[in-house]
Amino acid sequence: QQQVKQSPQSLIVQKGGISIINCAYENTAFDYFPWYQQFPGKGPALLIAIRPDVSEKKEGRFTISFNKSAKQFSLHIMDSQPGDSATYFCAASFPSGNTPLVFGKGTRLSVIA
Amino acid sequence: DTAVSQTPKYLVTQMGNDKSIKCEQNLGHDTMYWYKQDSKKFLKIMFSYNNKELIINETVPNRFSPKSPDKAHLNLHINSLELGDSAVYFCASSQEFRGGWEKLFFGSGTQLSVL
Repeated sequence: QQQVKQSPQSLIVQKGGISIINCAYENTAFDYFPWYQQFPGKGPALLIAIRPDVSEKKEGRFTISFNKSAKQFSLHIMDSQPGDSATYFCAASFPSGNTPLVFGKGTRLSVIA
Repeated sequence: DTAVSQTPKYLVTQMGNDKSIKCEQNLGHDTMYWYKQDSKKFLKIMFSYNNKELIINETVPNRFSPKSPDKAHLNLHINSLELGDSAVYFCASSQEFRGGWEKLFFGSGTQLSVL
């Protein structure tokens, strides 16, 4: 089953707080897990990505945590800012082949002051 | 300079009409895509072209026909528009097709409303 389940659907976080978005997958053949960020009226843009050979990847305030045994990965946004308010999509892909990225259903994050 | 540009940004039309959306990328990428985003924000790939050749064709009604005149352009023509076609359509490109490993660059979308 080519599926990535994302939660929560929406999230409200206070400025300065930590935003956590979770994704779970079923197919253990997935081997690349990117996160895309989409601002209103814009297309999604790649934010950060991880491969399953590492358990964590950090870029600035954004961290992906990856749990291979649980088949879960999550995005943590530290010190969340109002400018982080956007929709976040997790995704997964298979190694090679003609199969495109599989996207989660998105999480709408609102960071309030 | 916009990397992936698509026109028009908004398209309002009646059921049964035929319409086209145009996309151009100036990144020198080999691969281009069309995605559909529904009202619940779900992103679904429709088509992908690599060097003007169709490589992905998801289960899309044949009223939708992509055309790639060259690798910098990918247009989407929709015949006999239906209410359910209302969505935001995104064009995207990537340097190459790597089976999902590619970094996608999206345009700003075309909001299609079918009345």
